[in-house]
Amino acid sequence: EAGVAQSPRYKIIEKRQSVAFWCNPISGHATLYWYQQILGQGPKLLIQFQNNGVVDDSQLPKDRFSAERLKGVDSTLKIQPAKLEDSAVYLCASSLTGNAEAFFGQGTRLTVV
Amino acid sequence: GENVEQHPSTLSVQEGDSAVIKCTYSDSASNYFPWYKQELGKRPQLIIDIRSNVGEKKDQRIAVTLNKTAKHFSLHITETQPEDSAVYFCAASGGYSTLTFGKGTMLLVSP
Repeated sequence: EAGVAQSPRYKIIEKRQSVAFWCNPISGHATLYWYQQILGQGPKLLIQFQNNGVVDDSQLPKDRFSAERLKGVDSTLKIQPAKLEDSAVYLCASSLTGNAEAFFGQGTRLTVV
Repeated sequence: GENVEQHPSTLSVQEGDSAVIKCTYSDSASNYFPWYKQELGKRPQLIIDIRSNVGEKKDQRIAVTLNKTAKHFSLHITETQPEDSAVYFCAASGGYSTLTFGKGTMLLVSP
């Protein structure tokens, strides 16, 4: 089966600019996660969707980050405006349901200069 | 929310030795505990997982143990090989099924 697809793979932007990431989960997976992984740290959950509803967005900086999962399939994560500390790899993952194996995409490496 | 602590942050062993990584969790409702391996520049990949109705699970050289009372679980790798060198993450999934990761353990296996 096809894996989790993410784009772009790399992005360099200046601070205060905006950026968007796209994720296409594995077909049939109801749960979709967005994680932020700063170099040398574990993945930090930003937002979790169950179909098109939000399960947890408690760690999403809502003044600058937004995410949506229209129609319960693809998802986009947006940052506006970006800060230097947003430099990280943004990982999308999906699973059949919650409490099941999460499959990760290749990630998008964001550098804010 | 869930909080997962992982120790040690780095672990160096000789090839053939065993390696043990330990994690604790805070949410007593957590019932799913996966372990992921992440090689440099690559995505995390599941290597083994355990559910709260099981105390131990083995898969060849890898085993995971779970102590629900103490709220901790451990990864055991026997007969380590250089290709086991990577960062290992534990995670816990709780009552709301949010998947929370530990900070990771860098395992270095020297030939």
